[in-house]
Amino acid sequence: NAGVTQTPKFRILKIGQSMTLQCTQDMNHNYMYWYRQDPGMGLKLIYYSVGAGITDKGEVPNGYNVSRSTTEDFPLRLELAAPSQTSVYFCASTRRGLDTGELFFGEGSRLTVL
Amino acid sequence: DAKTTQPNSMESNEEEPVHLPCNHSTISGTDYIHWYRQLPSQGPEYVIHGLTSNVNNRMASLAIAEDRKSSTLILHRATLRDAAVYYCILSNSGTYKYIFGTGTRLKVLA
Repeated sequence: NAGVTQTPKFRILKIGQSMTLQCTQDMNHNYMYWYRQDPGMGLKLIYYSVGAGITDKGEVPNGYNVSRSTTEDFPLRLELAAPSQTSVYFCASTRRGLDTGELFFGEGSRLTVL
Repeated sequence: DAKTTQPNSMESNEEEPVHLPCNHSTISGTDYIHWYRQLPSQGPEYVIHGLTSNVNNRMASLAIAEDRKSSTLILHRATLRDAAVYYCILSNSGTYKYIFGTGTRLKVLA
């Protein structure tokens, strides 16, 4: 199993450009999350999804959009990139039942907006 | 969402036990206590989690106070590879969210 895979690993964008960060998992997890981590700071939840077709906002959703058309994929879209979106982005997933499950993280996508 | 409070940083000598504290005074009865750690330039990784009873696994032990308002992550013998930021978070089966705080940066001295 590959686990949680994020692409690209690195990207430089110009202000106003758009891009999509891809996240896919092969563990049949129903819950998926996007976080951002600014230098020296903790993780902030951007969006999450509890299943295909269901998404919800986290702590810092402004400037981002998500979709969840399949169980495996949870892409994060930046429509008009701004320097404040320079960060490392992490995707995570978990399978949950009665117990709250262990989160599995991808390796991260480092985005720089100039 | 219930909040957690952790010290910003701690130091430990190599091969000695480390006790990382976490306060969660507003925890609800159905909140699980999770611990994750983040090594430099990596994504967070799961360490341990529990609800009421103390838990042990190959990485660490989790001691939960009787009133559940605090918990302690115990690394039995710290190694240089344990130097990381450790996050204590609460997760509830009804809210679906995992909210991370700023964590405790653990420095291990050789």
